Amino acid sequence: KAGVTQTPRYLIKTRGQQVTLSCSPISGHRSVSWYQQTPGQGLQFLFEYFSETQRNKGNFPGRFSGRQFSNSRSEMNVSTLELGDSALYLCASSSPPAGGPYEQFFGPGTRLTVL
Amino acid sequence: GENVEQHPSTLSVQEGDSAVIKCTYSDSASNYFPWYKQELGKRPQLIIDIRSNVGEKKDQRIAVTLNKTAKHFSLHITETQPEDSAVYFCAASRGGGADGLTFGKGTHLIIQP
Repeated sequence: KAGVTQTPRYLIKTRGQQVTLSCSPISGHRSVSWYQQTPGQGLQFLFEYFSETQRNKGNFPGRFSGRQFSNSRSEMNVSTLELGDSALYLCASSSPPAGGPYEQFFGPGTRLTVL
Repeated sequence: GENVEQHPSTLSVQEGDSAVIKCTYSDSASNYFPWYKQELGKRPQLIIDIRSNVGEKKDQRIAVTLNKTAKHFSLHITETQPEDSAVYFCAASRGGGADGLTFGKGTHLIIQP
């Protein structure tokens, strides 16, 4: 099976702009989670989507949003970019068993630099 | 919410020796504890995980132990090799499908030749 893919891999934006990142999960996986990785804060959970519905959200401002399509592909949007949004954005896909904990498989990430 | 503490932040061991990384968590409802290895410039890779109904799990040179009462879990790597050099992250989750992973800050493991 092909792994999780993310596009683009690198992105440079300026403050105030918005950006959209894309994630394609492993075939058959219906859950997609997004994480932000920075040297100072480490890996932080942004949100999780399952069957086109956001089921959980981390502690990030409303400038961070996402969506999931019927084919399970997911996009993440950040509006009004700030310098502090510079980070590696990782998505992870999983195939949750009913009611049980699940393994998450990460994509290569999108490196966002805000100037 | 959940809080995961990970120690040490840096660990240097001689090749062939063992390495132990420890994590504590705060949410007694957490029931899934994975460990990820991240090499420089690469994605985190799941190396082992443990669920709350199990006290220990082994996979070749890697083992994880869980103490639910004390709310801590540990990663043990035996007979360390140069390719074990990486950053290791522990994480905790309530599982159930919807919860994201709460990660520790990571341990930079350095294997000295």
